[in-house]
Amino acid sequence: DVQLVESGGGLVQPGGSLRLSCAASGFTFSDHYMDWVRQAPGKGLDWVGRSRDKANSYTIEYAASVKGRFTISRDDSKNSLYLQMNSLKTEDTAVYYCAGLVSSSFEDYWGQGTLVIVSS
Amino acid sequence: DIQLTQSPSFLSAFVGDGVSITCRASQGISSNLAWYQQKPGKAPKLLIHAASTLQGGVPSRFSGSGSGTEFTLTISSLQPEDFATYYCQQSYNYPITFGQGTRLEIK
Repeated sequence: DVQLVESGGGLVQPGGSLRLSCAASGFTFSDHYMDWVRQAPGKGLDWVGRSRDKANSYTIEYAASVKGRFTISRDDSKNSLYLQMNSLKTEDTAVYYCAGLVSSSFEDYWGQGTLVIVSS
Repeated sequence: DIQLTQSPSFLSAFVGDGVSITCRASQGISSNLAWYQQKPGKAPKLLIHAASTLQGGVPSRFSGSGSGTEFTLTISSLQPEDFATYYCQQSYNYPITFGQGTRLEIK
């Protein structure tokens, strides 16, 4: 079965950094696009960025709100996706979901999410 | 960026009712649209992709239609487990965007 498990969330001060991880299993990780999507408390879904697959040279897309501050990477040998978040702002407070485009061109598998709180 | 506007933002209905949610795109997106269901404290669940293709395991009471700029999610006969928030999403171009959500509550 496909499984995505996020980790690394927590409380961080404004201006600080945090690295999220997403461990994937149940599918050939290198063959699939992977996304980060976030959801601020009580708000809607907000796409953060995408890592394309090996066939597409692992190229990355970012939302404008995080470009230059967040970095998406992946390690196919560990079946893992990462989100390095720098220069964090209070408005980055959210549950961060890892999502995979496994059998669709949309996010058909999601992790349980990890909560990031940016506060002094 | 492509803006997606869902209507209504809030919907109240009885079990057994049929309901529809509309998603309008600020520019044409062909059929590059998905619908998600989200329950409190849970990750979103993909219901429909490519505007009208039902994701595996999703009950047939869910259906999607539309192309271009106007799309509809229809639930033919509401079941208790359908009361949730629904989001549309476009993947026509980057950045990927979501609608603001439609909260469906039991009457």
